[in-house]
Amino acid sequence: AQKVTQAQTEISVVEKEDVTLDCVYETRDTTYYLFWYKQPPSGELVFLIRRNSFDEQNEISGRYSWNFQKSTSSFNFTITASQVVDSAVYFCALSEARDQAGTALIFGKGTTLSVSS
Amino acid sequence: DGGITQSPKYLFRKEGQNVTLSCEQNLNHDAMYWYRQDPGQGLRLIYYSQIVNDFQKGDIAEGYSVSREKKESFPLTVTSAQKNPTAFYLCASSMEWGPYYNEQFFGPGTRLTVL
Repeated sequence: AQKVTQAQTEISVVEKEDVTLDCVYETRDTTYYLFWYKQPPSGELVFLIRRNSFDEQNEISGRYSWNFQKSTSSFNFTITASQVVDSAVYFCALSEARDQAGTALIFGKGTTLSVSS
Repeated sequence: DGGITQSPKYLFRKEGQNVTLSCEQNLNHDAMYWYRQDPGQGLRLIYYSQIVNDFQKGDIAEGYSVSREKKESFPLTVTSAQKNPTAFYLCASSMEWGPYYNEQFFGPGTRLTVL
C-alpha cells in the first residue's frame, strides 16, 4: 500500500522564522513522483513542486526549498523567513499507479501553518 | 483565463436528496478528478476520468456518480446513498492520464452541507 504521512498537524511560527514541514512516504514503485500543494483559506489547492524519484537534488525557489532523501523516504519542505501570507494548509502527495498506464495522487493529511506578525 | 470552475461555492441539501456539483475546465485537459476533503484529512479520490465517455471509481466512490459527456465537463452527483456527504469537494484536471507524472490543477471547491 502506498501512504503519505505528514506527522505535524499544526505549526505556529512568528514572521521571519524558518519552518520545515515534514513528509514521509511509502511506496513499492521504483519510479514515482512527489508533490507539494498549498491550500490557502480560499480552499483552492495551488501546485508548488513536483519531483521524480530519480532526481534527488534539492530545489530552491525563492524562500521555498525542498529536501528529497530517498534513503529515508522523505520529501521535506522549508520556508525561509516566513510571512503571514504563507499561512495555509500544505499537502504532500505521492503518485500511485492505477490501471495499466495511469496514476492518481495519494495525499497526506496536511500540515496547517500559521504565521503571526 | 484558463482554469477550472466549480459551482456552486456553497450548497445546502436536505437529507434524502440528490445533488449535482458542477466542474468545468477550459485547459483542454484530458483527465479530470473529483476529491473529497474532510476537516483534518487529506484529499480522497472519489472518481476520475481519463478521457471523454470514460470514468473509473476512486477510493471512496460509494454514494456518488459521475458523467463525462464533454471533455470540459465532469459533474459529480452526490446521491442519497452517500451516508455522510457533508464535506468540501474539489475538482481537478491534468493534461493527460500518463504514467506517474500527474500534475493536477484544482478548482476552488464546493462546500456541501446536509441539513
